[in-house]
Amino acid sequence: DQQVKQNSPSLSVQEGRISILNCDYTNSMFDYFLWYKKYPAEGPTFLISISSIKDKNEDGRFTVFLNKSAKHLSLHIVPSQPGDSAVYFCAARDRGSTLGRLYFGRGTQLTVWP
Amino acid sequence: GAGVSQSPSNKVTEKGKDVELRCDPISGHTALYWYRQSLGQGLEFLIYFQGNSAPDKSGLPSDRFSAERTGGSVSTLTIQRTQQEDSAVYLCASSPQGGVGELFFGEGSRLTVL
Repeated sequence: DQQVKQNSPSLSVQEGRISILNCDYTNSMFDYFLWYKKYPAEGPTFLISISSIKDKNEDGRFTVFLNKSAKHLSLHIVPSQPGDSAVYFCAARDRGSTLGRLYFGRGTQLTVWP
Repeated sequence: GAGVSQSPSNKVTEKGKDVELRCDPISGHTALYWYRQSLGQGLEFLIYFQGNSAPDKSGLPSDRFSAERTGGSVSTLTIQRTQQEDSAVYLCASSPQGGVGELFFGEGSRLTVL
């Protein structure tokens, strides 16, 4: 059972436009959410996170929004750049499970074209 | 190096053979995790080590899988009697102390079982 779902396997956006990556979750015990970015043949790298006590966190071009009532979060990238092309994973922590254990979605392949 | 180091980067083996995958975490990081990513899937938690505490093995898919961490540093993931469904990228990650925060991933070991 997939507790973290990324329903769009791919997204294609023109350079300069906004990229919006979506993530849904089912576990109401999730209290911390993270986004990771992965280039081919590399390990995932941390991008941005948000605690469940917040509804928005911003870091430069990246903003994560959390809607707890809908169990939905999204990552906005503005403006999108070709170097942003990668697989983006949404991840969540269950406060009732092992500290640090994260549940990951299947990822969304973002392609930013010039 | 400064990052998480994994070896081998690629391993091709025959069904029924045993394999060992190695992870060298970032120096000083007390928490170490193993995840795997099968084709088209998200990252699946396998096992978590934190300091001298008993590891959380709840993610190991069968008793053919085992892992150890010697001296609180290097970890080895062993898969006995490999099966074709074990084919995946095995990712190791470390973090300064577990809990909230980002994981630092290695580049992964790609295992192919023929």
